[in-house]
Amino acid sequence: EVLLSESGGGLVQPGGSLGLSCAASGFSFSTYAMTWVRQAPGKGLEWVSTIGGRSEDTHYADSVKGRFTMSRDNSKNTLYLQMNNLRVEDTAVYYCAKYSAGGSKTHDYWGQGTLVTVSS
Amino acid sequence: DIQMTQSPSSVSASVGDRVTITCRASQGISSSLAWYQQKPGKAPKLLIYSASSLQSGVPSRFSGSGSGTGFTLIISSLQPEDFATYYCQQANSFPLTFGGGTEVEIK
Repeated sequence: EVLLSESGGGLVQPGGSLGLSCAASGFSFSTYAMTWVRQAPGKGLEWVSTIGGRSEDTHYADSVKGRFTMSRDNSKNTLYLQMNNLRVEDTAVYYCAKYSAGGSKTHDYWGQGTLVTVSS
Repeated sequence: DIQMTQSPSSVSASVGDRVTITCRASQGISSSLAWYQQKPGKAPKLLIYSASSLQSGVPSRFSGSGSGTGFTLIISSLQPEDFATYYCQQANSFPLTFGGGTEVEIK
Protein backbone atom coordinates (compact mmCIF):
# COMPACT_ATOMS: atom_id res chain seq x y z
CA GLU A 1 0.00 0.00 0.00
CA VAL A 2 1.32 3.42 -0.97
CA LEU A 3 1.47 5.78 1.98
CA LEU A 4 2.63 9.39 2.13
CA SER A 5 2.76 11.17 5.47
CA GLU A 6 3.67 14.84 5.85
CA SER A 7 4.98 16.41 9.03
CA GLY A 8 6.56 19.62 10.22
CA GLY A 9 3.73 22.09 9.82
CA GLY A 10 2.94 24.68 12.45
CA LEU A 11 2.76 28.36 13.31
CA VAL A 12 5.64 30.61 12.25
CA GLN A 13 6.11 34.37 12.14
CA PRO A 14 6.53 36.23 8.86
CA GLY A 15 10.15 36.07 7.79
CA GLY A 16 10.67 32.82 9.64
CA SER A 17 11.60 29.35 8.43
CA LEU A 18 10.02 25.94 8.57
CA GLY A 19 10.94 22.52 7.23
CA LEU A 20 8.40 19.97 6.05
CA SER A 21 8.99 16.25 5.58
CA CYS A 22 7.06 13.60 3.70
CA ALA A 23 7.71 9.97 4.58
CA ALA A 24 6.92 7.55 1.76
CA SER A 25 6.32 3.81 1.78
CA GLY A 26 4.82 1.09 -0.36
CA PHE A 27 6.53 1.92 -3.63
CA SER A 28 9.98 2.30 -5.16
CA PHE A 29 10.56 5.84 -3.97
CA SER A 30 13.59 6.65 -6.12
CA THR A 31 11.70 5.68 -9.29
CA TYR A 32 9.19 8.49 -9.07
CA ALA A 33 9.29 12.24 -9.20
CA MET A 34 7.52 13.88 -6.28
CA THR A 35 5.63 17.13 -5.91
CA TRP A 36 4.51 19.56 -3.24
CA VAL A 37 1.08 21.15 -3.74
CA ARG A 38 -0.48 23.65 -1.35
CA GLN A 39 -3.98 24.88 -0.65
CA ALA A 40 -4.67 28.13 1.15
CA PRO A 41 -7.72 28.09 3.45
CA GLY A 42 -10.89 28.01 1.34
CA LYS A 43 -8.92 28.27 -1.90
CA GLY A 44 -7.89 26.02 -4.77
CA LEU A 45 -4.83 23.90 -5.39
CA GLU A 46 -1.48 25.51 -6.16
CA TRP A 47 1.55 23.60 -7.44
CA VAL A 48 4.70 24.47 -5.44
CA SER A 49 7.59 22.29 -6.55
CA THR A 50 8.57 19.00 -8.23
CA ILE A 51 11.78 17.00 -7.93
CA GLY A 52 13.00 14.16 -10.12
CA GLY A 53 13.37 10.65 -8.78
CA ARG A 54 17.13 10.96 -8.42
CA SER A 55 17.05 14.72 -7.83
CA GLU A 56 18.19 15.24 -11.42
CA ASP A 57 16.05 18.32 -11.70
CA THR A 58 13.84 20.48 -9.54
CA HIS A 59 11.16 22.95 -10.57
CA TYR A 60 9.57 25.72 -8.51
CA ALA A 61 6.59 28.02 -8.76
CA ASP A 62 7.60 31.65 -9.18
CA SER A 63 5.82 32.45 -5.92
CA VAL A 64 8.34 30.38 -3.92
CA LYS A 65 11.46 30.46 -6.08
CA GLY A 66 14.48 31.60 -4.10
CA ARG A 67 12.72 31.01 -0.77
CA PHE A 68 11.79 27.31 -0.83
CA THR A 69 14.11 24.37 -1.44
CA MET A 70 12.81 20.92 -2.27
CA SER A 71 15.03 17.88 -1.74
CA ARG A 72 14.83 14.17 -1.15
CA ASP A 73 16.78 11.39 0.56
CA ASN A 74 16.13 8.18 -1.33
CA SER A 75 17.95 6.14 1.32
CA LYS A 76 15.32 7.29 3.83
CA ASN A 77 12.34 7.37 1.43
CA THR A 78 11.75 10.93 2.52
CA LEU A 79 10.92 14.16 0.74
CA TYR A 80 11.64 17.60 2.15
CA LEU A 81 10.57 21.18 1.68
CA GLN A 82 12.66 23.85 3.38
CA MET A 83 10.73 27.11 3.52
CA ASN A 84 12.57 30.34 4.32
CA ASN A 85 11.50 33.97 4.49
CA LEU A 86 7.90 32.88 4.93
CA ARG A 87 5.08 35.25 4.08
CA VAL A 88 1.49 35.45 5.28
CA GLU A 89 0.39 34.30 1.83
CA ASP A 90 2.31 31.02 2.30
CA THR A 91 -0.33 29.97 4.83
CA ALA A 92 -1.80 26.74 3.48
CA VAL A 93 -2.14 23.01 3.82
CA TYR A 94 0.89 21.49 2.13
CA TYR A 95 0.48 18.13 0.41
CA CYS A 96 3.17 15.85 -0.94
CA ALA A 97 2.15 13.82 -3.97
CA LYS A 98 3.65 11.02 -6.03
CA TYR A 99 3.92 11.08 -9.81
CA SER A 100 1.54 8.66 -11.44
CA ALA A 101 2.73 5.44 -13.01
CA GLY A 102 0.32 5.95 -15.89
CA GLY A 103 0.93 9.57 -16.77
CA SER A 104 3.77 11.97 -16.15
CA LYS A 105 3.24 15.21 -14.23
CA THR A 106 0.02 13.84 -12.75
CA HIS A 107 -0.26 12.57 -9.20
CA ASP A 108 -1.87 9.30 -8.14
CA TYR A 109 -1.17 9.32 -4.39
CA TRP A 110 -1.28 12.21 -1.95
CA GLY A 111 -0.51 12.61 1.72
CA GLN A 112 -3.05 13.89 4.22
CA GLY A 113 -1.44 17.33 4.30
CA THR A 114 0.21 19.46 6.96
CA LEU A 115 -0.93 22.96 7.87
CA VAL A 116 1.51 25.84 7.78
CA THR A 117 0.30 29.09 9.33
CA VAL A 118 2.36 32.24 8.87
CA SER A 119 1.19 34.92 11.25
CA SER A 120 2.50 37.40 13.78
CA ASP B 1 2.50 29.96 -17.92
CA ILE B 2 -0.53 27.96 -19.03
CA GLN B 3 -3.74 29.20 -17.47
CA MET B 4 -6.52 26.69 -16.77
CA THR B 5 -10.10 27.95 -16.67
CA GLN B 6 -12.84 25.74 -15.28
CA SER B 7 -16.56 26.22 -15.63
CA PRO B 8 -18.89 26.39 -13.95
CA SER B 9 -17.40 27.32 -10.59
CA SER B 10 -20.27 25.52 -8.92
CA VAL B 11 -23.18 23.34 -9.99
CA SER B 12 -26.21 22.13 -8.09
CA ALA B 13 -27.37 18.68 -9.08
CA SER B 14 -29.45 15.78 -7.86
CA VAL B 15 -28.54 12.14 -7.43
CA GLY B 16 -28.81 10.47 -10.83
CA ASP B 17 -28.13 13.65 -12.80
CA ARG B 18 -25.54 13.89 -15.55
CA VAL B 19 -22.95 16.53 -14.67
CA THR B 20 -20.54 18.13 -17.13
CA ILE B 21 -17.52 20.20 -16.11
CA THR B 22 -15.30 21.94 -18.63
CA CYS B 23 -11.69 23.05 -18.48
CA ARG B 24 -9.99 25.30 -21.00
CA ALA B 25 -6.24 25.76 -21.38
CA SER B 26 -4.76 29.08 -22.48
CA GLN B 27 -2.62 27.22 -25.02
CA GLY B 28 -2.60 23.75 -26.51
CA ILE B 29 -1.58 20.97 -24.15
CA SER B 30 -2.32 17.93 -26.33
CA SER B 31 -3.90 15.35 -24.00
CA SER B 32 -1.81 16.27 -20.97
CA LEU B 33 -4.66 16.86 -18.56
CA ALA B 34 -5.75 15.31 -15.29
CA TRP B 35 -8.92 15.57 -13.22
CA TYR B 36 -9.01 15.32 -9.42
CA GLN B 37 -11.81 15.07 -6.89
CA GLN B 38 -11.43 16.65 -3.47
CA LYS B 39 -13.76 16.30 -0.51
CA PRO B 40 -13.66 18.75 2.43
CA GLY B 41 -10.67 18.19 4.68
CA LYS B 42 -9.26 15.49 2.43
CA ALA B 43 -6.46 15.24 -0.10
CA PRO B 44 -7.26 15.32 -3.82
CA LYS B 45 -7.89 12.02 -5.57
CA LEU B 46 -6.84 11.34 -9.15
CA LEU B 47 -9.80 10.45 -11.37
CA ILE B 48 -8.62 10.86 -14.95
CA TYR B 49 -5.18 11.23 -16.53
CA SER B 50 -4.07 11.85 -20.11
CA ALA B 51 -7.44 13.57 -20.61
CA SER B 52 -9.48 10.37 -20.95
CA SER B 53 -7.79 7.49 -19.09
CA LEU B 54 -9.66 6.33 -16.01
CA GLN B 55 -7.45 5.88 -12.95
CA SER B 56 -7.56 2.40 -11.46
CA GLY B 57 -10.39 1.97 -8.99
CA VAL B 58 -12.39 4.98 -10.19
CA PRO B 59 -16.01 4.19 -11.10
CA SER B 60 -16.85 4.10 -14.79
CA ARG B 61 -19.50 6.80 -14.38
CA PHE B 62 -16.58 9.24 -14.55
CA SER B 63 -15.24 9.97 -18.02
CA GLY B 64 -12.97 12.56 -19.57
CA SER B 65 -12.52 13.83 -23.09
CA GLY B 66 -10.83 16.53 -25.09
CA SER B 67 -7.46 17.57 -26.43
CA GLY B 68 -5.64 20.75 -27.31
CA THR B 69 -7.32 23.49 -25.30
CA GLY B 70 -10.77 22.12 -24.43
CA PHE B 71 -11.54 19.31 -21.99
CA THR B 72 -14.61 17.85 -20.32
CA LEU B 73 -15.25 15.75 -17.24
CA ILE B 74 -18.60 13.96 -17.21
CA ILE B 75 -20.26 12.21 -14.30
CA SER B 76 -22.91 10.14 -16.03
CA SER B 77 -25.15 9.47 -13.03
CA LEU B 78 -24.30 11.47 -9.92
CA GLN B 79 -24.02 9.45 -6.72
CA PRO B 80 -24.15 10.77 -3.12
CA GLU B 81 -20.41 10.21 -2.70
CA ASP B 82 -19.67 12.39 -5.75
CA PHE B 83 -20.56 15.67 -4.06
CA ALA B 84 -17.14 17.29 -3.92
CA THR B 85 -14.92 19.84 -5.66
CA TYR B 86 -13.30 18.88 -8.94
CA TYR B 87 -10.05 20.31 -10.33
CA CYS B 88 -8.34 20.00 -13.68
CA GLN B 89 -4.54 20.15 -13.92
CA GLN B 90 -2.41 20.62 -17.01
CA ALA B 91 0.47 18.15 -17.17
CA ASN B 92 2.10 19.53 -20.29
CA SER B 93 4.81 21.73 -18.84
CA PHE B 94 6.12 23.46 -15.75
CA PRO B 95 4.82 25.37 -13.94
CA LEU B 96 2.03 22.86 -13.44
CA THR B 97 -1.27 24.67 -13.10
CA PHE B 98 -4.72 23.81 -11.78
CA GLY B 99 -8.12 25.10 -12.69
CA GLY B 100 -9.99 27.09 -10.08
CA GLY B 101 -12.25 24.18 -9.16
CA THR B 102 -15.89 23.24 -9.63
CA GLU B 103 -17.97 22.54 -6.55
CA VAL B 104 -20.70 19.96 -7.14
CA GLU B 105 -23.45 20.64 -4.61
CA ILE B 106 -26.60 18.82 -3.64
CA LYS B 107 -29.71 20.34 -5.24
